[in-house]
Amino acid sequence: RKEVEQDPGPFNVPEGATVAFNCTYSNSASQSFFWYRQDCRKEPKLLMSVYSSGNEDGRFTAQLNRASQYISLLIRDSKLSDSATYLCVVTPYSGAGSYQLTFGKGTKLSVIP
Amino acid sequence: GAVVSQHPSRVICKSGTSVKIECRSLDFQATTMFWYRQFPKQSLMLMATSNEGSKATYEQGVEKDKFLINHASLTLSTLTVTSAHPEDSSFYICSAKQGSSYNSPLHFGNGTRLTVT
Repeated sequence: RKEVEQDPGPFNVPEGATVAFNCTYSNSASQSFFWYRQDCRKEPKLLMSVYSSGNEDGRFTAQLNRASQYISLLIRDSKLSDSATYLCVVTPYSGAGSYQLTFGKGTKLSVIP
Repeated sequence: GAVVSQHPSRVICKSGTSVKIECRSLDFQATTMFWYRQFPKQSLMLMATSNEGSKATYEQGVEKDKFLINHASLTLSTLTVTSAHPEDSSFYICSAKQGSSYNSPLHFGNGTRLTVT
């Protein structure tokens, strides 16, 4: 099983739709989780951290399920500008300041007018 | 907010030459920076972890003599691709953690698109 797995998509959704992505991780010692978005030929940008209790930022909601070892990202009222690749990032803490971040391959979202 | 600056953003060089890429944290100190490579339609692949004042830690399969990393200060790390070949053409991205906590997020540089002819 890969360390971090995401459905590559593409997810093609109409404007205004709600779309959800999941990301599963294999290392149960993983301690921090993030969603990044990456536009074509650009660097990734932090979208949001994922907290154990779940968190929301405007139209975006992130959730963590430790028991099933997955995180999710929900986007409501999709905008054309949401079209991007969404990367799941998992960090298992291995002590002494060592952070081995693991990126998923990303899920591509295309929001269609 | 935190900013990581990477330079140059694009470089074209001839096979056999060396290319240096700089990564700077502009408003915070970064004891650790990371260098990634991304091929088209592929995920980010960690190449090495750059540690201020000490040797970089390279991932398996990454040649340390080919990809020289120097982290001389708390705000600057450099990656030098030595004797570049066309297969080294890729998108190179650096990142730095703001803060020492394990849940501090990464901030990425804007990337360097390297084309070796």
